Amino acid sequence: DAGVIQSPRHEVTEMGQEVTLRCKPISGHNSLFWYRQTMMRGLELLIYFNNNVPIDDSGMPEDRFSAKMPNASFSTLKIQPSEPRDSAVYFCASTPSWLAQETQYFGPGTRLLVL
Amino acid sequence: DAKTTQPNSMESNEEEPVHLPCNHSTISGTDYIHWYRQLPSQGPEYVIHGLTSNVNNRMASLAIAEDRKSSTLILHRATLRDAAVYYCILVNFGNEKLTFGTGTRLTIIP
Repeated sequence: DAGVIQSPRHEVTEMGQEVTLRCKPISGHNSLFWYRQTMMRGLELLIYFNNNVPIDDSGMPEDRFSAKMPNASFSTLKIQPSEPRDSAVYFCASTPSWLAQETQYFGPGTRLLVL
Repeated sequence: DAKTTQPNSMESNEEEPVHLPCNHSTISGTDYIHWYRQLPSQGPEYVIHGLTSNVNNRMASLAIAEDRKSSTLILHRATLRDAAVYYCILVNFGNEKLTFGTGTRLTIIP
């Protein structure tokens, strides 16, 4: 199994540009999570999906952030327009089902730098 | 969400056991205790989890206090590859939401 796949692994962009981060969860997993990690705030949950439906987006910082999961094998996190304070590592994770005893499997992350 | 408290950092010698403590005095009866770790420049990875009883797996052991208000992650023989930030997280039955704290940064001394 390839694990959770994220692309790109690194992204450098200029303020004001649109950024799209991509995630392919592990096949058969029904829940998908987007996290952001910064030195100041640590690891924060942004949004999560169950069976492709957004369940809780209360962690999304503002309207500039949006996430979609058009099918069970693909999700995107979009920032438009991007700002320097969005610079962070963004992780995607998936889990087999909606149960507290399930393990979350994390991808390698996308390191985003907004200049 | 119930909160956990962990020491900011710990050191241990290589090939010795490591006991990483976690306090969760406000834990509810339906909270699972999960441990994840994050190696440098990697995403978090699952270590172990439990509800009431002590648990063992190939990576570690989890000792849960009888009143469930604290737990200890035990690495039986630390190696340099175990140097990481270890997170103790409570996950409530019925949802998968992980709320990460600041964790414990474990340094292994050769």
